[in-house]
Amino acid sequence: QKEVEQNSGPLSVPEGAIASLNCTYSDRGSQSFFWYRQYSGKSPELIMSIYSNGDKEDGRFTAQLNKASQYVSLLIRDSQPSDSATYLCAVKAGGTSYGKLTFGQGTILTVHP
Amino acid sequence: DADVTQTPRNRITKTGKRIMLECSQTKGHDRMYWYRQDPGLGLRLIYYSFDVKDINKGEISDGYSVSRQAQAKFSLSLESAIPNQTALYFCATSASQGGETQYFGPGTRLLVL
Repeated sequence: QKEVEQNSGPLSVPEGAIASLNCTYSDRGSQSFFWYRQYSGKSPELIMSIYSNGDKEDGRFTAQLNKASQYVSLLIRDSQPSDSATYLCAVKAGGTSYGKLTFGQGTILTVHP
Repeated sequence: DADVTQTPRNRITKTGKRIMLECSQTKGHDRMYWYRQDPGLGLRLIYYSFDVKDINKGEISDGYSVSRQAQAKFSLSLESAIPNQTALYFCATSASQGGETQYFGPGTRLLVL
């Protein structure tokens, strides 16, 4: 089992719809959770971080964390073609792993007009 | 100017050759990382360094070595390149204080023939 696993893609949604991206992790001691966006040919950039159970909203993006079920999700409301990218879930383990992140394999999102 | 730079941006080499990928940062961060990205596999950690004298292996360090020449410089070497090291390589930095966000360089695309 992969340590961090994302829902298989690619995911295609129409413009204006809600895109839902999911991620599960195996280390129950994980402390911090991140979503990175990567445009084709570019480097990953952080779009959301979440540390506590519940929802965290930032503009059209909402991150949801459920530590008991070991999943984290990213919702993108009113999806735009400019949201088309690969979304990477990253998890920081607890304990002495310091800043080391484990990434999922990524989900490709396409928003079509 | 970019905060995290990588050289070269593209490299073609032959099996058995030794090559070095370089990373420099002006963000003043103490932590630096090297990842490789392969299609469908996300980002995998090769090596990480939390300061000049602290270097650690990541999940896929075999066939690679690193050098932290200064706080701002972190180099990755392939001692004897092989075709399955063909990948996109990213350097990243983060600060030990004030946040866990990792900032990525633009990447180096390596092709081993």
